[in-house]
Amino acid sequence: EPEVTQTPSHQVTQMGQEVILRCVPISNHLYFYWYRQILGQKVEFLVSFYNNEISEKSEIFDDQFSVERPDGSNFTLKIRSTKLEDSAMYFCASSERDRGGGELFFGEGSRLTVL
Amino acid sequence: GESVGLHLPTLSVQEGDNSIINCAYSNSASDYFIWYKQESGKGPQFIIDIRSNMDKRQGQRVTVLLNKTVKHLSLQIAATQPGDSAVYFCAEIGAEGGGNKLTFGTGTQLKVEL
Repeated sequence: EPEVTQTPSHQVTQMGQEVILRCVPISNHLYFYWYRQILGQKVEFLVSFYNNEISEKSEIFDDQFSVERPDGSNFTLKIRSTKLEDSAMYFCASSERDRGGGELFFGEGSRLTVL
Repeated sequence: GESVGLHLPTLSVQEGDNSIINCAYSNSASDYFIWYKQESGKGPQFIIDIRSNMDKRQGQRVTVLLNKTVKHLSLQIAATQPGDSAVYFCAEIGAEGGGNKLTFGTGTQLKVEL
């Protein structure tokens, strides 16, 4: 079964450092997303991406965050200057269609720990 | 603000019994609902979905019921198995929004006792 893969599985970084989380969405999917989950809390939407541009972003997704699809397979989330409160599990997701027209597949997540 | 919330944080059931996990939502404009299962250390896994023009949908061992009048969603798992132990989230997409921007509930931990 096709799957979304994410790297690294766990990253520990110092506050103020830049972090890049990588995702390989399912190959025929066109819509890409990042969500995050702070430990013990619910999953929160960060950003959606289609046709090489951001479709929608949440209030969490401020100027410290950026996304990019540098080639035909990778989808990255960059946090420019990490803060303690950025510590969370970050999930990448992809779907074939928009607006609930297709199942949203999630990766297994990248755990970010900011010290 | 708009929210999707769950009634119970933890549900314990005996193996073989049926499980019912409930969810309340507040956005009356929501038109698509999904149940996800999240096992420890893994990402959310799609279980079943339902559109607002339906009130019931069945899958393999799972049934989702939607009551738009009281803005309530439930997930029924038949003959619960140890492998069903996980956190279950309901999620919704509002009609006014775009894409697959999901609003998740806080989750219910399902524990299956042998």
